[in-house]
Amino acid sequence: EAGVTQFPSHSVIEKGQTVTLRCDPISGHDNLYWYRRVMGKEIKFLLHFVKESKQDESGMPNNRFLAERTGGTYSTLKVQPAELEDSGVYFCASSQVAGSSYNEQFFGPGTRLTVL
Amino acid sequence: AQKITQTQPGMFVQEKEAVTLDCTYDTSDQSYGLFWYKQPSSGEMIFLIYQGSYDEQNATEGRYSLNFQKARKSANLVISASQLGDSAMYFCAMRGGGNQFYFGTGTSLTVIP
Repeated sequence: EAGVTQFPSHSVIEKGQTVTLRCDPISGHDNLYWYRRVMGKEIKFLLHFVKESKQDESGMPNNRFLAERTGGTYSTLKVQPAELEDSGVYFCASSQVAGSSYNEQFFGPGTRLTVL
Repeated sequence: AQKITQTQPGMFVQEKEAVTLDCTYDTSDQSYGLFWYKQPSSGEMIFLIYQGSYDEQNATEGRYSLNFQKARKSANLVISASQLGDSAMYFCAMRGGGNQFYFGTGTSLTVIP
């Protein structure tokens, strides 16, 4: 069974440009999550999709970030325009079951974003 | 507020020795889950072990065990018989009433031959 995949693995862009990150969850997983780790800090939650609906987007830092999950399959996270502080590793995770304390989330390898 | 604290930014352990990675948490939820993930240099996050807040016994998975002390709100990871391949970043995480995970800042473990 394929795991969570993310594309690209690395992205280097200049301040003010736009970048779109993609996440393909494990097939059949309705729950999809985005997280971000800024260098030296903890991994922070950004948002949670249940199928194509945004269940919780309380962690989205500002309106420069736009996440979509059309059709409830893969998801994209767009940063427009990118700022220096957006640099970090963006992780995507998926899970089959939500609403229980045991809810293992399977993580992708992350996309390392560098904004110059 | 939900919070995970990992106070050890870096740890060293001799190969074949045991090591304990500390994790304390703060939550007002009655039901929650605690997780440990390993992140090797390749970047992927690998699930290691889970402990539920109502589980009375400490979780174990092979060489990994979780020393769960509920009253102290700690969930330390113990790795026995360390191997060179254990060198990685280790993250403690908690899931409470919501669906999101709360992570600590991580501990970088280096196993010395």
